[in-house]
Amino acid sequence: GDSVTQMEGPVTLSEEAFLTINCTYTATGYPSLFWYVQYPGEGLQLLLKATKADDKGSNKGFEATYRKETTSFHLEKGSVQVSDSAVYFCALSVMNSGGYQKVTFGTGTKLQVIP
Amino acid sequence: DTGVSQDPRHKITKRGQNVTFRCDPISEHNRLYWYRQTLGQGPEFLTYFQNEAQLEKSRLLSDRFSAERPKGSFSTLEIQRTEQGDSAMYLCASSSQPGQTKYSNQPQHFGDGTRLSIL
Repeated sequence: GDSVTQMEGPVTLSEEAFLTINCTYTATGYPSLFWYVQYPGEGLQLLLKATKADDKGSNKGFEATYRKETTSFHLEKGSVQVSDSAVYFCALSVMNSGGYQKVTFGTGTKLQVIP
Repeated sequence: DTGVSQDPRHKITKRGQNVTFRCDPISEHNRLYWYRQTLGQGPEFLTYFQNEAQLEKSRLLSDRFSAERPKGSFSTLEIQRTEQGDSAMYLCASSSQPGQTKYSNQPQHFGDGTRLSIL
C-alpha cells in the first residue's frame, strides 16, 4: 500500500538556520505530493504541492522538489523564523479507480525555532 | 472563500454518550472528507463524499460511526456509544472536482477540527 515516511522530530533550530525535513514515499500509480503545516490547535494548511516528477513546489520561502528517482520530497527553507514553529506533514495523493483522491499522510515532524 | 468550518471546536462527553459534529466545506467544493488524528500522528482517512453520495469508508469507521451529507453541502459525523479510544481530533476537508488529466489531484483544504475528549 501507499506510505509516507518522515524524519522523526522534534527538530530544534535557531532562528535563521537552514531547515531540511526529509520525506520519502512509496505509492502505486503516479502520486501528487504535498506538504501541510499544522499550528497548535488548528487544522492542516496546505504549504506547497508538486504534481509530477521534477516539479518544485514553493511557498513562503519553503521549497520541495518531486524526485521520482529517489521517491523523495524533502522540505527546505533557507532561513527559518520563530513563526515557522509548527508540525509539518508530508502527504501523497493518488487518484483511485473510483475517481477519489486517496491521501496518505506521514506522522508529522515538529519544528521548534528558538530566537 | 471562507474556508472549511467545523463545529464544535471542542467536545467533552462521558463514555457511552452520542456525539455529532458538523462540517461546512468551501462552497464550490463537491468533495468532502473526514479524518481522525490522534496525538503525534498524521490524519487517518475515515470517509469520503462526492456531493451527497458516500463513496468510500475506511475500515476504521466502525458501525458506531455514521456520516451524512444530505444535500451535498454540509456534512455531519455521528459517533454512538462513545468509547475512550474515540478521543481524537476529527478533521474535515474539502476539495474541488479534479481536472481531466491524471496529474490534477486537487489539494484538500482542512478545517480546524473538532477535538473530542471522552471522560
